[in-house]
Amino acid sequence: GAVVSQHPSRVICKSGTSVKIECRSLDFQATTMFWYRQFPKQSLMLMATSNEGSKATYEQGVEKDKFLINHASLTLSTLTVTSAHPEDSSFYICSAREQETQYFGPGTRLLVL
Amino acid sequence: DAKTTQPTSMDCAEGRAANLPCNHSTISGNEYVYWYRQIHSQGPQYIIHGLKNNETNEMASLIITEDRKSSTLILPHATLRDTAVYYCFGGSQGNLIFGKGTKLSVKP
Repeated sequence: GAVVSQHPSRVICKSGTSVKIECRSLDFQATTMFWYRQFPKQSLMLMATSNEGSKATYEQGVEKDKFLINHASLTLSTLTVTSAHPEDSSFYICSAREQETQYFGPGTRLLVL
Repeated sequence: DAKTTQPTSMDCAEGRAANLPCNHSTISGNEYVYWYRQIHSQGPQYIIHGLKNNETNEMASLIITEDRKSSTLILPHATLRDTAVYYCFGGSQGNLIFGKGTKLSVKP
């Protein structure tokens, strides 16, 4: 099956700093990638849809200026959490679509101190 | 995308078949049925999908009723590593809106 990677797998940062998370489709090209967030004991929540070469579409309640998404190539999308705060601590997961199926990355655990 | 209904939790004995049901009565004719699972602290894993016909792969079998209003995911010989939350979706692979899924516990 198709493989999606994320980097880093976990990151700890200080409050006020920015963190970049990379999502790569390793063996296929993805014009559409998705970013999700998952808090403990909750289900995944879609944050935004990332389309290669165009602006991301954000879900209601997700601040586009805080969660910057760039999808500059068919195999790479990045999520930058700007001016991170402790409440941004979460499990961030990306997915990439190949034909009619979405494949998910392993997730990035972010802890903001 | 179709609204889906799944039981909150299920138990299964190791080595036995696990049959996970899903209702998707509002699914439209061109929407697929998808199944994923999430093992604790990992990203969701694609399992299988189908449109009308039953499907089988190395992980599971998918049985879709003739009216397509419900489906069953079958893990033929469940192992402890199959303990996870299982999600079904009815849609065209646009945005996947995750519900609570079914927490499957495989017990020795």
